[in-house]
Amino acid sequence: NAGVTQTPKFQVLKTGQSMTLQCAQDMNHEYMSWYRQDPGMGLRLIHYSVGAGITDQGEVPNGYNVSRSTTEDFPLRLLSAAPSQTSVYFCASSYMGGYGYTFGSGTRLTVV
Amino acid sequence: AQKVTQAQTEISVVEKEDVTLDCVYETRDTTYYLFWYKQPPSGELVFLIRRNSFDEQNEISGRYSWNFQKSTSSFNFTITASQVVDSAVYFCALSEVSAQGGSEKLVFGKGTKLTVNP
Repeated sequence: NAGVTQTPKFQVLKTGQSMTLQCAQDMNHEYMSWYRQDPGMGLRLIHYSVGAGITDQGEVPNGYNVSRSTTEDFPLRLLSAAPSQTSVYFCASSYMGGYGYTFGSGTRLTVV
Repeated sequence: AQKVTQAQTEISVVEKEDVTLDCVYETRDTTYYLFWYKQPPSGELVFLIRRNSFDEQNEISGRYSWNFQKSTSSFNFTITASQVVDSAVYFCALSEVSAQGGSEKLVFGKGTKLTVNP
């Protein structure tokens, strides 16, 4: 049982480049979300989805795009990377949220 | 607006000491969930406990215990007889229940870094 799988684990981008962080879960969870973790800031919600075809913005959505075409996958797109997007990104999934979220192992992104 | 405050940024204890991590939350909702997550040095986030707003019973799991008090909006976490393996960053989180009955968003505190020295 893989749980929540994030790829890549590490990535270095140049300012202005675009990329997609992948997230897949095999638990048939309806809820999926993306968080970023910055030193001293805890985790902050970027975007979330309550099912295929349904997405919404979280606390810090600017510069990121998401879509949810299947229950299993929830990719996060950086449209034009900026140094301020240097962070650790976590994908999470849950059955309805109230039972707790399962997190992926994270993607450490550096934008130079 | 929802808010979670973990006032202790860092705590350092010696092995076998008891330690309590504080969590104070703010919400206008009457129905919500509270969580604790552990982030060891390896970086993954490990779910520890979930508590809903209607259940104020304290919970004990081995050396871990949680004290939920709605009157003070607190959900504190105590580790008894701490061990070096407990060294980690611990996050408290809050999730309100939406009109659809789910909890789509987690609001995290900034975390408390616990170091347990041998």
